[in-house]
Amino acid sequence: NAGVTQTPKFRVLKTGQSMTLLCAQDMNHEYMYWYRQDPGMGLRLIHYSVGEGTTAKGEVPDGYNVSRLKKQNFLLGLESAAPSQTSVYFCASSYGGQTKNIQYFGAGTRLSVL
Amino acid sequence: AQKITQTQPGMFVQEKEAVTLDCTYDTSDQSYGLFWYKQPSSGEMIFLIYQGSYDEQNATEGRYSLNFQKARKSANLVISASQLGDSAMYFCAPYLRRSTSGTYKYIFGTGTRLKVLA
Repeated sequence: NAGVTQTPKFRVLKTGQSMTLLCAQDMNHEYMYWYRQDPGMGLRLIHYSVGEGTTAKGEVPDGYNVSRLKKQNFLLGLESAAPSQTSVYFCASSYGGQTKNIQYFGAGTRLSVL
Repeated sequence: AQKITQTQPGMFVQEKEAVTLDCTYDTSDQSYGLFWYKQPSSGEMIFLIYQGSYDEQNATEGRYSLNFQKARKSANLVISASQLGDSAMYFCAPYLRRSTSGTYKYIFGTGTRLKVLA
């Protein structure tokens, strides 16, 4: 029962470097999400997708790009990392819809940008 | 504008006692329900309980129950018979429908850290 899998679990970057975080789900969910979590704050939505080939901006999209080429995968890219992007990143997926749209989360990726 | 308020940044409860975690929300988008998630020290987010905005009875899942007062935009989580394993961060998250696109979104509160004492 894999659920939602995020890779990598930890990463350290230097300012200006790029990287891609991978999220994979095996529940055939339509919706996928990327959040960041900073100390003392709840999760904030970066980008989301309501289906294969579609993406949309969340609350804090600047500095990030995403792609959803396959239904089961949702990629988060940082083109030029900044120290302000040091955070814990969570991917989630859900079936979508109006009621009891439970999000299932990955274990998180802890990213440090030096 | 959306504002989710969890007024208790930290709480203590004695093992086997009940505890109530507060959540109020002030949102301009239409609310379809509210979720509570638990985040233990290991970091993962675990779904606990959900209440639909139009459900007439308060939701219950085992030791978890919701005290949902729609008119007050309040949805407090009650944990009965606390256990040491309940020590964690707890987040409430209203489920809203975006007025612009018609899609749905969660807005997470800042959380309450609960410590259960032996």
